[in-house]
Amino acid sequence: DAMVIQNPRYQVTQFGKPVTLSCSQTLNHNVMYWYQQKSSQAPKLLFHYYDKDFNNEADTPDNFQSRRPNTSFCFLDIRSPGLGDAAMYLCATTLTGGYGYTFGSGTRLTVV
Amino acid sequence: AQSVTQLDSQVPVFEEAPVELRCNYSSSVSVYLFWYVQYPNQGLQLLLKYLSGSTLVKGINGFEAEFNKSQTSFHLRKPSVHISDTAEYFCAVSAQGGSEKLVFGKGTKLTVNP
Repeated sequence: DAMVIQNPRYQVTQFGKPVTLSCSQTLNHNVMYWYQQKSSQAPKLLFHYYDKDFNNEADTPDNFQSRRPNTSFCFLDIRSPGLGDAAMYLCATTLTGGYGYTFGSGTRLTVV
Repeated sequence: AQSVTQLDSQVPVFEEAPVELRCNYSSSVSVYLFWYVQYPNQGLQLLLKYLSGSTLVKGINGFEAEFNKSQTSFHLRKPSVHISDTAEYFCAVSAQGGSEKLVFGKGTKLTVNP
């Protein structure tokens, strides 16, 4: 089945140690998003790719970066994770035209 | 810019009772409207969406929602809930055209009790 896959499902990292989360899709969607969701809160958009164009939200910390080497893959890099970065990170894709997002299952990041 | 208000943070109901989860939005441009469901430690799953046309939209798992342009509302309803409907529900809006970034409400926790 076509889908959005996030790896790993659970990630534990040390305070300050760089970590990379990955997302892949078989839907051939042109837009990909990374959201951060903290406990009992709505997802918050970090950035998105519209085709190859990268778009950073104004309030996304510099500590967060992203790469999209091709249509299928997208990575979220956290350069120096702090305790406040512990959250669920959600990847989503869509085709423009109101199709709605397809979300991956998320990666639960714990910072120790 | 768009914004979404979900008026109830928690809604407890008994099994087989009807439920309505309320959502209001604001936007200066035409929008698409969505409802998503999230089970614990899972991503979000699309329940239904309104793009245009008929204001009553039906989704998965017996849910439906009605778009009311004059009241800028998009309330979610189900006539008879099950224990398995216990989850977090998010209303979301995106502007038509462009990258269609989703703006989410804060969510409503639906708890279905036996």
